[in-house]
Amino acid sequence: EVQLEESGGGLVQPGGSLRLSCAASGLTFSRHWMAWVRQPPGKGLEWVANIKPDGSEKFYVDSVKGRFTISRDSAQNSLYLQMNSLRAEDTAVYYCARIPGADSYFDFWGQGTLVTVSS
Amino acid sequence: DIQLTQSPSTLSASVGDRVTITCRASQSVRDWLAWYQQKPGKAPQLLIYRASNLESGVPSRFSGRGSGTEFTLTISSLQPDDFATYYCQHSDSYPISFGGGTKVEIK
Repeated sequence: EVQLEESGGGLVQPGGSLRLSCAASGLTFSRHWMAWVRQPPGKGLEWVANIKPDGSEKFYVDSVKGRFTISRDSAQNSLYLQMNSLRAEDTAVYYCARIPGADSYFDFWGQGTLVTVSS
Repeated sequence: DIQLTQSPSTLSASVGDRVTITCRASQSVRDWLAWYQQKPGKAPQLLIYRASNLESGVPSRFSGRGSGTEFTLTISSLQPDDFATYYCQHSDSYPISFGGGTKVEIK
């Protein structure tokens, strides 16, 4: 059974940093593109970033480029999101998600971790 | 960037109703479109991928159609478990984006 478990969310001040982690199990992690998707409270879904299986390609939504970095460690079966220069509008539940193949849709999701950016 | 517009934003329906949600893309996404269901406090669940392919384990009352710029998600006979919010998502090119969502409420 595929399981994705996010951690690392919390309250952070504007301009601060946070690192999210996603522990994966029940899948061949090293074979899959992975992604982060976020959802502000009471609002819709927003794709944040994708990363290739070997980590050599990464894609970001414009609003986080230069501030967020997606990475992965296949030895640890883990996905990460380093978030710097955080803004109030980054407040959201952050989900990690698996991409099953060449098409970038998301077939398994974690339960999400809440990031709140506020002073 | 490709924008996805869902309609309606809210839909009131009764158990047993046939329900159709529309997703329109600002430019062609070919058939690179997926649909998700999300319940309050839960992660989204994949229903349909590549416009019309039913994800494993999803009830057959869900179906998807379309290509290019216009897509539909149909629930043939609404069940109590189907009251939720539904999102479309394209993966034709970066940036990937989602529609604004359609909330299906009990009439």
